[in-house]
Amino acid sequence: KAGVTQTPRYLIKTRGQQVTLSCSPISGHRSVSWYQQTPGQGLQFLFEYFSETQRNKGNFPGRFSGRQFSNSRSEMNVSTLELGDSALYLCASSLDPGQGSETQYFGPGTRLLVL
Amino acid sequence: SQQGEEDPQALSIQEGENATMNCSYKTSINNLQWYRQNSGRGLVHLILIRSNEREKHSGRLRVTLDTSKKSSSLLITASRAADTASYFCATVNYGNNRLAFGKGNQVVVIP
Repeated sequence: KAGVTQTPRYLIKTRGQQVTLSCSPISGHRSVSWYQQTPGQGLQFLFEYFSETQRNKGNFPGRFSGRQFSNSRSEMNVSTLELGDSALYLCASSLDPGQGSETQYFGPGTRLLVL
Repeated sequence: SQQGEEDPQALSIQEGENATMNCSYKTSINNLQWYRQNSGRGLVHLILIRSNEREKHSGRLRVTLDTSKKSSSLLITASRAADTASYFCATVNYGNNRLAFGKGNQVVVIP
């Protein structure tokens, strides 16, 4: 099976702009989670989507949003970019925990630089 | 929210030696997972240990979990230069899929 894919891999934006990142989960996986990784804060949970619904949300401002499509692909959007949004954004997919599998498989990430 | 904390933060060892990393957490968990990350790339899942398990092996990896002490350890035996990476523990609570990560251990294996 193909792994989790994320596009684009690298992105440079300026303050005030918005950005959309995409994630395609492993085939058959219905849960998609997003994480932000920065040197200062480490790995932090953004949100999780399952069956096109946000099931869980981390402590991030409303500028961070996401959605999931019927094919389980997910996008996250960051509006009004700030310098502090520069980070590696990681997407992870997993089978629904109800099936007894909580292992999350991560994509290569999108590295966002905000200037 | 709870967060795993690894100790030590950085480890430098010779190839062939064993590397041990510890992780502690604060609340009850469903399971604990260890991940590896090479040079700021994606996370690679290494092993998952459930709260009712005490020890698990996968190849050269051995993970222990002590729920009474709320701690876990990851042992990499006979290390190789390719094991050079950052290692993170992450906990999962009951009822959700959210991973709470520790700060990570930087491991350097010297050939």
